[in-house]
Amino acid sequence: AQSVTQLGSHVSVSEGALVLLRCNYSSSVPPYLFWYVQYPNQGLQLLLKYTSAATLVKGINGFEAEFKKSETSFHLTKPSAHMSDAAEYFCAVTKNTGNQFYFGTGTSLTVIP
Amino acid sequence: EPEVTQTPSHQVTQMGQEVILRCVPISNHLYFYWYRQILGQKVEFLVSFYNNEISEKSEIFDDQFSVERPDGSNFTLKIRSTKLEDSAMYFCASSDLGADPEQYFGPGTRLTVT
Repeated sequence: AQSVTQLGSHVSVSEGALVLLRCNYSSSVPPYLFWYVQYPNQGLQLLLKYTSAATLVKGINGFEAEFKKSETSFHLTKPSAHMSDAAEYFCAVTKNTGNQFYFGTGTSLTVIP
Repeated sequence: EPEVTQTPSHQVTQMGQEVILRCVPISNHLYFYWYRQILGQKVEFLVSFYNNEISEKSEIFDDQFSVERPDGSNFTLKIRSTKLEDSAMYFCASSDLGADPEQYFGPGTRLTVT
């Protein structure tokens, strides 16, 4: 079975500061991992994905994540937060094409001017 | 760029009524999914559909729920007799048959049961 744990339901950073959102996964098979962003009253937008190629994955809006098998982690980072980054972020895992996604409980990011 | 579309964007219904949520997946995709997100909570899997049958379903997807692909383009979720606790955002997703498991999500239908 797969699962995802997102540590920190709320994260606040100052504008221009480093953003670090944590995601740890549990999977009995090599996982595929995703980060999605959700703005208020909107759908899920893919930020980036790990599909067993490069372990450091770059996504949209300056975000990146590193797959660390030894730590079972896939933390999301951005060097410099922007006000427009304020949103809910979800980590998700699946085991294969056609299988369900398991989502984490989400992390709400607040950016302080 | 191809995208998943969903209608309506917001549906209000009375408890006990039947609702049908509609989705148009990306045209060449073969897997279709429904997820729901209760306000303030995480996204939860309901059901997946492949080759005209359910391939996987969660505990949430009980006898009140059904899915159908009535034609070559639409994918629907029916809730037979809505309850207050069915109020949620419902997301449709689709994915291709291949090595990349990415699922493409629609904008969602907000269902409010009163």
